Amino acid sequence: LAKTTQPISMDSYEGQEVNITCSHNNIATNDYITWYQQFPSQGPRFIIQGYKTKVTNEVASLFIPADRKSSTLSLPRVSLSDTAVYYCLTNGGATNKLIFGTGTLLAVQP
Amino acid sequence: DAGITQSPRHKVTETGTPVTLRCHQTENHRYMYWYRQDPGHGLRLIHYSYGVKDTDKGEVSDGYSVSRSKTEDFLLTLESATSSQTSVYFCASSSGGAGADTQYFGPGTRLTVL
Repeated sequence: LAKTTQPISMDSYEGQEVNITCSHNNIATNDYITWYQQFPSQGPRFIIQGYKTKVTNEVASLFIPADRKSSTLSLPRVSLSDTAVYYCLTNGGATNKLIFGTGTLLAVQP
Repeated sequence: DAGITQSPRHKVTETGTPVTLRCHQTENHRYMYWYRQDPGHGLRLIHYSYGVKDTDKGEVSDGYSVSRSKTEDFLLTLESATSSQTSVYFCASSSGGAGADTQYFGPGTRLTVL
């Protein structure tokens, strides 16, 4: 099964840029890389998705190197409300191999 | 957000009893998923469906069965609940499969098996 690896936790302060990296060494050729955000007692929520190079939307950027074995979620100028668990997801080339990593708990302090 | 609900939201049951969790979506999504979330394991796929009556196993399918008789409903059944199945269960749906389409998640069901 495709496996993703992320740091367990990260700390930051309001206004800083935060970069969370995910390792996915076994990513398949047709895999996309998707990041989700989860608050306590809620289901995960989509943040951003990419296949290669760089993707940017209104809340985040996603950087994917040429070999696609890792990806970095970048959150600009975080606020207290960005405190959450962030998951990266690949699927090893098939729906039944969808694997969420254990996630990264981002704690943003004043 | 996509209209996806789960019922019940909380359930306490005893070992050996059958349990059915329901997921309902109003987006006419083709794909639906059941995950469990446990500390230290993140989200793990139990089963998914790619259409009415079409289902497949995920990473942790042992002890679980699913059914999908209508596009909007996806049921997860624990035939004989065990304490190891105490977890938070999330349902999700997407228009396309694999990892290429955004999954929309429900609010979760917290199941405790005593």
